Amino acid sequence: DQQVKQNSPSLSVQEGRISILNCDYTNSMFDYFLWYKKYPAEGPTFLISISSIKDKNEDGRFTVFLNKSAKHLSLHIVPSQPGDSAVYFCAASARMNTGANSKLTFGKGITLSVRP
Amino acid sequence: GAVVSQHPSRVICKSGTSVKIECRSLDFQATTMFWYRQFPKQSLMLMATSNEGSKATYEQGVEKDKFLINHASLTLSTLTVTSAHPEDSSFYICSALLTSGGAKQFFGPGTRLTVL
Repeated sequence: DQQVKQNSPSLSVQEGRISILNCDYTNSMFDYFLWYKKYPAEGPTFLISISSIKDKNEDGRFTVFLNKSAKHLSLHIVPSQPGDSAVYFCAASARMNTGANSKLTFGKGITLSVRP
Repeated sequence: GAVVSQHPSRVICKSGTSVKIECRSLDFQATTMFWYRQFPKQSLMLMATSNEGSKATYEQGVEKDKFLINHASLTLSTLTVTSAHPEDSSFYICSALLTSGGAKQFFGPGTRLTVL
């Protein structure tokens, strides 16, 4: 049972354009969402997070949008750069109900390729 | 800040031997660390939650006697794969939970285990 879904396995965009990475979840207990970036043979690197009390969080070129009613979040990267090419994982946790130590549930990831 | 290291980065061992992987939080204390396993082109699958000074909590389907976890200090957790078999070959990643400023997991670079 995949509670966090990243249905598109890959995305290719032109340098300078916007990259939109989508993520859906099924567990209504999730209240904290994170995006991680991962290069091959390396551990994931934290990018940005959002709490369920917000619908948008912005950090530089990265913005995460949360639509709780649709159980959907998206990561926008603008402008996209070739160095952004990596696998992006969406993750969710249920912090309010289980405390700060609650575990993360990851999606399968999406491979982003930014063409020069 | 929030750097997590893993050692070794890669290890090759013979079937039947045991392998120990270390996970260290270098610049913060972590009462909670997590161990994940990633198969090629798959998501990160949580294996267990490591709690300093107490027993680890294992996810369903993970053999606690095969994957021994010790969290002896606030900066070190170890995962020992006992009596390794070729099917244990995988990419093992740890993370440490930083609770200040909102709970976030910071990941180590991973360990590639190959069992011959």
